[in-house]
Amino acid sequence: GIQVEQSPPDLILQEGANSTLRCNFSDSVNNLQWFHQNPWGQLINLFYIPSGTKQNGRLSATTVATERYSLLYISSSQTTDSGVYFCAVTTGGGNKLTFGTGTQLKVEL
Amino acid sequence: DTGVSQNPRHKITKRGQNVTFRCDPISEHNRLYWYRQTLGQGPEFLTYFQNEAQLEKSRLLSDRFSAERPKGSFSTLEIQRTEQGDSAMYLCASSLARDREATEAFFGQGTRLTVV
Repeated sequence: GIQVEQSPPDLILQEGANSTLRCNFSDSVNNLQWFHQNPWGQLINLFYIPSGTKQNGRLSATTVATERYSLLYISSSQTTDSGVYFCAVTTGGGNKLTFGTGTQLKVEL
Repeated sequence: DTGVSQNPRHKITKRGQNVTFRCDPISEHNRLYWYRQTLGQGPEFLTYFQNEAQLEKSRLLSDRFSAERPKGSFSTLEIQRTEQGDSAMYLCASSLARDREATEAFFGQGTRLTVV
């Protein structure tokens, strides 16, 4: 099956810093989503981005499907950005999401 | 209807007992998915329904696990004869899709199961 790898696995930032999270996938995809998992375990939708670039406030994402990667940019980070960030993809007939390994982000004052 | 709802949020059970979880999807969504997440890992797919039909099951879904979506609305996931290895967060998601297109999935808050 498809492999989804995220980097870095862990990231510590000072509040106000910018960061880039990367998601690499091993096969063609027809759906890619970025999620933020909060401390209570809920997955919060950030972007539905099978290709192209989208922005939402301090967050933006770019997926280059032909090169099999996606990037999540976080600008002016805040302590509330802390948590685990997952990318997830669907392939082929495209129903179930395959999740990446996650990036654990901690934003400190 | 503001999102996917799961009940209970937490469940502690003794090994060998049966447990049942419920998921209410976003009302107009025809697809419903179950995932399992263990500590430090990403969620893993268990099974999914389109309307009331269960269309795919993962090899992770042993014969002790059964899922239903009887009227194409809410779904239940039952685990029989629970084992300590079943301890995990069980996540439900839903999406609106036509034919085989892939669309955005939305997740519930999850049910955290602890088997003692």
